[in-house]
Amino acid sequence: QKEVEQNSGPLSVPEGAIASLNCTYSDRGSQSFFWYRQYSGKSPELIMFIYSNGDKEDGRFTAQLNKASQYVSLLIRDSQPSDSATYLCAAQGPWTGTASKLTFGTGTRLQVTL
Amino acid sequence: DAGVTQSPTHLIKTRGQQVTLRCSPKSGHDTVSWYQQALGQGPQFIFQYYEEEERQRGNFPDRFSGHQFPNYSSELNVNALLLGDSALYLCASSLSRQGIYSNQPQHFGDGTRLSIL
Repeated sequence: QKEVEQNSGPLSVPEGAIASLNCTYSDRGSQSFFWYRQYSGKSPELIMFIYSNGDKEDGRFTAQLNKASQYVSLLIRDSQPSDSATYLCAAQGPWTGTASKLTFGTGTRLQVTL
Repeated sequence: DAGVTQSPTHLIKTRGQQVTLRCSPKSGHDTVSWYQQALGQGPQFIFQYYEEEERQRGNFPDRFSGHQFPNYSSELNVNALLLGDSALYLCASSLSRQGIYSNQPQHFGDGTRLSIL
């Protein structure tokens, strides 16, 4: 079982719609969660991070965390063609006392169509 | 505010050779992590450095080694290169608080694309 799982996609949504990206994790010791956007041939760019159960909103982006279900999601409202990219979900932890690594999923490819 | 910088951008090596990749963290950051990203995969954690020591290591062989300097910059060394080492190597920096769990986000550099012939 992979530690962080994402549907590889592609997820296709029309321009202006809401894109919903999902992620599950297996290690209950994971404490913090991050969403990165990665354009083809580029490096990951941090979009959102969430530490507590519930929703966190930042502009068109909303991250949702449910630790009991070990589930993280990212909603993108009013999707734009420029949002077309691969979205990586990452879990941090558990804390070793001196460090905590990020464990990534394989990413979900999002295509926003005109 | 300078972000994470990595060099070189691209590198071509042959099997059996050795390579050194370099990373300067974002201003104000003291922790450097290295990741390997194969095509179509998510980044895989190699190791993390803080206070010039390797603090955590992923499932990579001893051929992968690193170093952190007093100015927080870091190097990744890979010996006896294999074809399977071809990948994008990413450096990420963050701010840690000694002895306290740090959930500060990691910020990535542009990466070094390593090709092994």
